[in-house]
Amino acid sequence: DVKVTQSSRYLVKRTGEKVFLECVQDMDHENMFWYRQDPGLGLRLIYFSYDVKMKEKGDIPEGYSVSREKKERFSLILESASTNQTSMYLCASSLWSSSGSSYYEQYFGPGTRLTVT
Amino acid sequence: RKEVEQDPGPFNVPEGATVAFNCTYSNSASQSFFWYRQDCRKEPKLLMSVYSSGNEDGRFTAQLNRASQYISLLIRDSKLSDSATYLCVVNKHRGSTLGRLYFGRGTQLTVWP
Repeated sequence: DVKVTQSSRYLVKRTGEKVFLECVQDMDHENMFWYRQDPGLGLRLIYFSYDVKMKEKGDIPEGYSVSREKKERFSLILESASTNQTSMYLCASSLWSSSGSSYYEQYFGPGTRLTVT
Repeated sequence: RKEVEQDPGPFNVPEGATVAFNCTYSNSASQSFFWYRQDCRKEPKLLMSVYSSGNEDGRFTAQLNRASQYISLLIRDSKLSDSATYLCVVNKHRGSTLGRLYFGRGTQLTVWP
């Protein structure tokens, strides 16, 4: 069974703290993604990675960085947490299609609800 | 302009009703189209893909109109368990962004007894 896990379901941090959100997938997927989801704004892509050590900015990368040292693990880092980063963070993974002709379903983790006070 | 636009609702319908959701996408180069479902406080999951000829999965029918850049989802004989947020999703194949999806903000559906 496909599985994407995230390190915490709920997290409370203080403004200015460095925050690490971890995501692990056990499906040998090449692509991994970090989104945040806010009421009325939907899912917004922060960063994604299509291979180890590779990363690409999504639509809202400011204030975030990522790390992918191993294929199964994709970390999201908030260098200095701010209150406007309070949100639900969702990780996802999918297979890679080199031909460009196929789509592979994205599988999501359960999410981490981060509160920055 | 957002890549994917959809009516946020909410849609409140009685059991047994038929309900339709619509969605438009901005990029004519978009290749693949989907509906995802997200239950309250849960992660999104793929509901169905949308094919050019239209496709059906039980009570669910998806339609695509490439000329109008329009996607729809029809749910017949609504069940209480259909209550969820439905996300319209588009995929563009372009170099290293293969696999990236563009999500609409979602349409909320509540089915009442």
